[in-house]
Amino acid sequence: EDKVVQSPLSLVVHEGDTVTLNCSYEVTNFRSLLWYKQEKKAPTFLFMLTSSGIEKKSGRLSSILDKKELFSILNITATQTGDSAVYLCAVSGGSYIPTFGRGTSLIVHP
Amino acid sequence: EAGVTQFPSHSVIEKGQTVTLRCDPISGHDNLYWYRRVMGKEIKFLLHFVKESKQDESGMPNNRFLAERTGGTYSTLKVQPAELEDSGVYFCASSHLSDSRREQYFGPGTRLTVT
Repeated sequence: EDKVVQSPLSLVVHEGDTVTLNCSYEVTNFRSLLWYKQEKKAPTFLFMLTSSGIEKKSGRLSSILDKKELFSILNITATQTGDSAVYLCAVSGGSYIPTFGRGTSLIVHP
Repeated sequence: EAGVTQFPSHSVIEKGQTVTLRCDPISGHDNLYWYRRVMGKEIKFLLHFVKESKQDESGMPNNRFLAERTGGTYSTLKVQPAELEDSGVYFCASSHLSDSRREQYFGPGTRLTVT
């Protein structure tokens, strides 16, 4: 059974701090790893990672995948209060159906 | 482009009653998925439609859950009779059939509370 473990479960920081969120996984026939940001409602797509070692960047957010060690990290630099959200990691295998982790709740204080 | 919409936002029902949730996917998306998140747990897959056909319903908890997608447009998920453990947030997502990445766009979810 596919499995995704995220850590930490919860994180509280101050504006300007840099955070690293972790996602480790076990999946049969790995296809992709996805990061989502969930604020109040719908999870919104951040990144899809399929290859090891290639960093994806979007503004202050970046992510990288290690397919050998079976993990990914999501970095957020110079955090802002608007970064407060639950960050979800999911992996998809042969069926394309993603298996989600429980998420990391990030709270950024001003 | 309008996103995935779900109705209602929140539903509170008594144990034993019936509830029907609705999902309207992004126009033109043939793939439609239902997920559920029980409090404190991860989002879990329920089922997957391709157009009006059920492609994978391996995540459906039991036969009290019935999903339909008549005409391949919107979908409904009916819970009958509802039990306390059915409480949670039900998400719908959709994606293009032809998109090889199959990036899924999520709706805002319906929070179901069974009392």
